[in-house]
Amino acid sequence: SQTIHQWPATLVQPVGSPLSLECTVEGTSNPNLYWYRQAAGRGLQLLFYSVGIGQISSEVPQNLSASRPQDRQFILSSKKLLLSDSGFYLCAWSPHSGSPYNEQFFGPGTRLTVL
Amino acid sequence: QKEVEQDPGPLSVPEGAIVSLNCTYSNSAFQYFMWYRQYSRKGPELLMYTYSSGNKEDGRFTAQVDKSSKYISLFIRDSQPSDSATYLCAMRRQGNLIFGKGTKLSVKP
Repeated sequence: SQTIHQWPATLVQPVGSPLSLECTVEGTSNPNLYWYRQAAGRGLQLLFYSVGIGQISSEVPQNLSASRPQDRQFILSSKKLLLSDSGFYLCAWSPHSGSPYNEQFFGPGTRLTVL
Repeated sequence: QKEVEQDPGPLSVPEGAIVSLNCTYSNSAFQYFMWYRQYSRKGPELLMYTYSSGNKEDGRFTAQVDKSSKYISLFIRDSQPSDSATYLCAMRRQGNLIFGKGTKLSVKP
């Protein structure tokens, strides 16, 4: 069966510091991968998605970047965090092909607080 | 008009009640609909998905789609305190999903 991991689970960082959040998926090959941010009252905001190694699409301009160095690894980064980067960051995966629903399966999330 | 609208609640019901959660959408091109459940401080988990108009049942849960009204619903029968969570609707737009903001449900024992 497939599993998705995210770490760290919780992170408190000062403004201006760098960020690196990691997501890995097990039990599947060539998944589509996603990074979302969930802020209170704002729902799930898609930040980046990737359909393959080195292929990253950005949904919104922001202070963040994403990379996919390996098939089942997705990394969210920032060089300098802003207060507005605080939130709950979720990684998700979906099968590369087959289901018309494109159902996505989420990791446990990372709660980031920028002070 | 937002593509997907969902009442954030909170919705509080007694144990055993029938719960109705709803979303409306504006894009008639949406065809694939899903419901996710998210417990506090956890990632969303896929609960149900449905394609056509009508009902789909899975245990105590029923997903309903009315494409003519652009309206989807999730019904929970015999609600339990363990159903207390935020419920998000989602629908496919091209290669990605559009999510509602979620309805927070509390089932009181």
